[in-house]
Amino acid sequence: GDQVEQSPSALSLHEGTGSALRCNFTTTMRAVQWFRKNSRGSLINLFYLASGTKENGRLKSAFDSKERYSTLHIRDAQLEDSGTYFCAAGASSGSWQLIFGSGTQLTVMP
Amino acid sequence: EAAVTQSPRNKVTVTGGNVTLSCRQTNSHNYMYWYRQDTGHGLRLIHYSYGAGNLQIGDVPDGYKATRTTQEDFFLLLELASPSQTSLYFCASSVGQGGSYEQYFGPGTRLTVL
Repeated sequence: GDQVEQSPSALSLHEGTGSALRCNFTTTMRAVQWFRKNSRGSLINLFYLASGTKENGRLKSAFDSKERYSTLHIRDAQLEDSGTYFCAAGASSGSWQLIFGSGTQLTVMP
Repeated sequence: EAAVTQSPRNKVTVTGGNVTLSCRQTNSHNYMYWYRQDTGHGLRLIHYSYGAGNLQIGDVPDGYKATRTTQEDFFLLLELASPSQTSLYFCASSVGQGGSYEQYFGPGTRLTVL
């Protein structure tokens, strides 16, 4: 089965509001990355975490390897935040590959 | 800031056509990767390499070849393109192996096979 389960698959927010995206892992992961694919199709690195939390502007991410999840919080959403967000994680054992979630399509509305 | 570039950014070819996608990284990274991304799916690994002359098979290698000519350059080859290979292709690099190290992605190449 899928090792990275990302939710929700789609999310709509009004400008100025916030929400959280979540990835659950079916196995222990050693690190997680979060990306945004913008309207031009480019993949932008948001965060890389081996543990704990990181914050950058209006974005904050957390990773708990033991509890097998990671979150991406967006606050004060802006129109330019719209895009598809992906999490990806590397397993602690077995395959070393980066395993991607299926993405969250975020739409920020005026 | 890590730098990965891809060319072309857009490509249209016909079924049976021959396509080469190029990737260059100037990060002195050992590992380079080719992924494809389809609507509603995450990225899937096609091939990867840990150095010049090395090639490893990923999860979805069928119909693709790849070649790592130098530490900087990694090419993806579609020798008989099919419509099922219409996709968005990303190249990435990392200093170390797979999910243990941060991967840096190029801007993507959108390939359409008619």
